[in-house]
Amino acid sequence: GAVVSQHPSWVICKSGTSVKIECRSLDFQATTMFWYRQFPKQSLMLMATSNEGSKATYEQGVEKDKFLINHASLTLSTLTVTSAHPEDSSFYICSATGSFNSPLHFGNGTRLTVT
Amino acid sequence: AQSVAQPEDQVNVAEGNPLTVKCTYSVSGNPYLFWYVQYPNRGLQFLLKYITGDNLVKGSYGFEAEFNKSQTSFHLKKPSALVSDSALYFCAVKGGSYIPTFGRGTSLIVHP
Repeated sequence: GAVVSQHPSWVICKSGTSVKIECRSLDFQATTMFWYRQFPKQSLMLMATSNEGSKATYEQGVEKDKFLINHASLTLSTLTVTSAHPEDSSFYICSATGSFNSPLHFGNGTRLTVT
Repeated sequence: AQSVAQPEDQVNVAEGNPLTVKCTYSVSGNPYLFWYVQYPNRGLQFLLKYITGDNLVKGSYGFEAEFNKSQTSFHLKKPSALVSDSALYFCAVKGGSYIPTFGRGTSLIVHP
């Protein structure tokens, strides 16, 4: 089956630093990738949608200058949390799809803790 | 606009009993429906989907779901629950948009 690899699985950083999260589709070409944020015992909050080679589309209320998304190839998208603050601490999950009819394939998530 | 409702925050069932996790949806046009499962501190895993065809869809780990167009429902079912099925379950729908909408999730707890 389709595999999406997300790294790191957890990261602790100091307030004010930046953190990069990688999302790779290992055995299929991901035309579209999605980045989600999930709070404890809550559903997924879509942050942005990215298509290879174009700028990401951010959901309302998500700061594009704070959450930088790059989708440089059909197998790699990155999310960089810039100048992280404790309120950015959360579980971030990426997903990818190769076509409209296909289900999303999810990475295992990244637990970010900002101290 | 498209939406998904999972009316139950939590479902409790005894091991060996049948389970049902409910999902209703609203979408323009034909729905594309999905179920996912999430274990603690992990991403979501795809269970099954309905695109077209038979209303009863079979998926991974013995799960199945029944598409009911008149009731706009896509309930997830399993004939005999296992303790290892305990997890968070998400229903999702896509209509004309390529961005799926997820329900808020239902926590399934299977008691030994």
